[in-house]
Amino acid sequence: EAQVTQNPRYLITVTGKKLTVTCSQNMNHEYMSWYRQDPGLGLRQIYYSMNVEVTDKGDVPEGYKVSRKEKRNFPLILESPSPNQTSLYFCASSPWGRYPNEQFFGPGTRLTVL
Amino acid sequence: QQPVQSPQAVILREGEDAVINCSSSKALYSVHWYRQKHGEAPVFLMILLKGGEQKGHDKISASFNEKKQQSSLYLTASQLSYSGTYFCGTVMGGATNKLIFGTGTLLAVQP
Repeated sequence: EAQVTQNPRYLITVTGKKLTVTCSQNMNHEYMSWYRQDPGLGLRQIYYSMNVEVTDKGDVPEGYKVSRKEKRNFPLILESPSPNQTSLYFCASSPWGRYPNEQFFGPGTRLTVL
Repeated sequence: QQPVQSPQAVILREGEDAVINCSSSKALYSVHWYRQKHGEAPVFLMILLKGGEQKGHDKISASFNEKKQQSSLYLTASQLSYSGTYFCGTVMGGATNKLIFGTGTLLAVQP
């Protein structure tokens, strides 16, 4: 089944404790992206990647890191999480053309930073 | 840069029509529409491209006015399954790697 998976689905952590949210897709998509969703603010792009070893900042990259060492994986790293990073996070992948194509979203990761 | 959606929320009865608007202050290359049901991930509805090409849903239609930098999503004869939050996403000319979403329109269809 074609899908985007994220782990963990739920995470409660404390300020400053490094964490990684994994994202994996099995559709051989070039483009992958991370979004955070907060009430009233919609979906805001954190980072995106157009292919292996090619990443770039979205609109809200502060406090986050990403890497794209393999085509299928795009982990999101929070080196020192803070309470303002409490949010619902979505990973998405897309076949790449001349522009962002249909985005396939993962199920989401709800993160709480205490 | 974030596109502006209107209305913020709308309540309908089954069978009624609705229009959701999306506007940008920047020139647009394409507009995406997604629907998100409560507790779920957003799901793709359609893409409208500069030049008129459209890819997407067979029961929901949309328009894209490039000159006005606006798009509208038309939901006709609403069904209960149409309930959810609708997001437009815009790709701007000159920054075609980024998809920027609006803040969403909550649509509730009642029996």
